[in-house]
Amino acid sequence: LAKTTQPISMDSYEGQEVNITCSHNNIATNDYITWYQQFPSQGPRFIIQGYKTKVTNEVASLFIPADRKSSTLSLPRVSLSDTAVYYCLVSRQAGTASKLTFGTGTRLQVTL
Amino acid sequence: NAGVMQNPRHLVRRRGQEARLRCSPMKGHSHVYWYRQLPEEGLKFMVYLQKENIIDESGMPKERFSAEFPKEGPSILRIQQVVRGDSAAYFCASSPNAAGEWGLHFGNGTRLTVT
Repeated sequence: LAKTTQPISMDSYEGQEVNITCSHNNIATNDYITWYQQFPSQGPRFIIQGYKTKVTNEVASLFIPADRKSSTLSLPRVSLSDTAVYYCLVSRQAGTASKLTFGTGTRLQVTL
Repeated sequence: NAGVMQNPRHLVRRRGQEARLRCSPMKGHSHVYWYRQLPEEGLKFMVYLQKENIIDESGMPKERFSAEFPKEGPSILRIQQVVRGDSAAYFCASSPNAAGEWGLHFGNGTRLTVT
């Protein structure tokens, strides 16, 4: 499975838009890109998943360029409660047994 | 619709004892994954199971660790003769199919402390 690289940490002020970019140069044709959020003492929570172009839900947007070698998670107008670790993962499509490999994630700190 | 349930939330064991961690997947989910997380680190894959079958155990130590997901009941991660290095948070996740299209649903983990 493709290895992912993302910044170790980011800081933001409340109300700003935060963009976290993840590199996955070796992504395969059948791979999806998934982002998770983890708060202290909790399990990761699924945020968004995409294959190409742009995906948007009530929480975030995911931008994937045509070559799919990177992706950007966009969090609009962050609040203090968005302080968490964000993980980017690449995984095979449904029907293919596979493990999901988490990197060290990006630790986002939101302050006033 | 209950999420992934893990118990206990906290478990303290002395060195040499056995630890049993239980995971009940979401209703309708037949795929279970176990991960371990050390403080300030990311999650490390341990094992992937479907009902009654181990699909991938490449991340699980060969000795002292075992996992099962019986036809009835929760998935169990068992650690025999625990050592201090086993102290970590152990997370279970489930999915309705082989992970990929719909992501994983995680429990809130079991925090194992070995004294």
